[in-house]
Amino acid sequence: AQTVTQSQPEMSVQEAETVTLSCTYDTSENNYYLFWYKQPPSRQMILVIRQEAYKQQNATENRFSVNFQKAAKSFSLKISDSQLGDTAMYFCAFMKLGNAGKSTFGDGTTLTVKP
Amino acid sequence: DTGVSQNPRHKITKRGQNVTFRCDPISEHNRLYWYRQTLGQGPEFLTYFQNEAQLEKSRLLSDRFSAERPKGSFSTLEIQRTEQGDSAMYLCASQAGGSYNEQFFGPGTRLTVL
Repeated sequence: AQTVTQSQPEMSVQEAETVTLSCTYDTSENNYYLFWYKQPPSRQMILVIRQEAYKQQNATENRFSVNFQKAAKSFSLKISDSQLGDTAMYFCAFMKLGNAGKSTFGDGTTLTVKP
Repeated sequence: DTGVSQNPRHKITKRGQNVTFRCDPISEHNRLYWYRQTLGQGPEFLTYFQNEAQLEKSRLLSDRFSAERPKGSFSTLEIQRTEQGDSAMYLCASQAGGSYNEQFFGPGTRLTVL
């Protein structure tokens, strides 16, 4: 079974600064996908960014980028130029290739962006 | 709004009662997932459908839980003889096509069992 660990329950960052959220996972699989989801207060969870394990290049989506270290089983999320709207809970998730979309989630990191 | 919708948004019930939740996915999304999220934890997979077929159920889904997607469109999740441990947020997500495609989540139904 796969496990996903987010070791930072809470983090805060000043507006316009950069913050990095950590995620590690444990798996014996070689082919899988990793995701970061954002869950704003009282709002729906949305996908922020995703990474295929076979790709060495780190994924980037505007202000969001990841540092994927496959050997270390690490998948951190960097948010640049933090905005107040980035305040949310962030979940890291793992999905085994061929696992029909079932994801294993970490317990989340609550990020607060301060003005 | 063409996103995933869930009803009701909140449900308070007494232990032992039955409850049913509904999820309306994005139109034409063939896959539909149910997750449970307890306070302070990430979502846990419960079950998923491809069209009307329920293809997998988690061991978390006890015999008191049943899910349906009768015409491959909306889905219902029923919990019979609710227990206090069933209190959680129940999330629905829909997806088009393959497993790697984005899952779109609904706002969830928060269940409180007294």
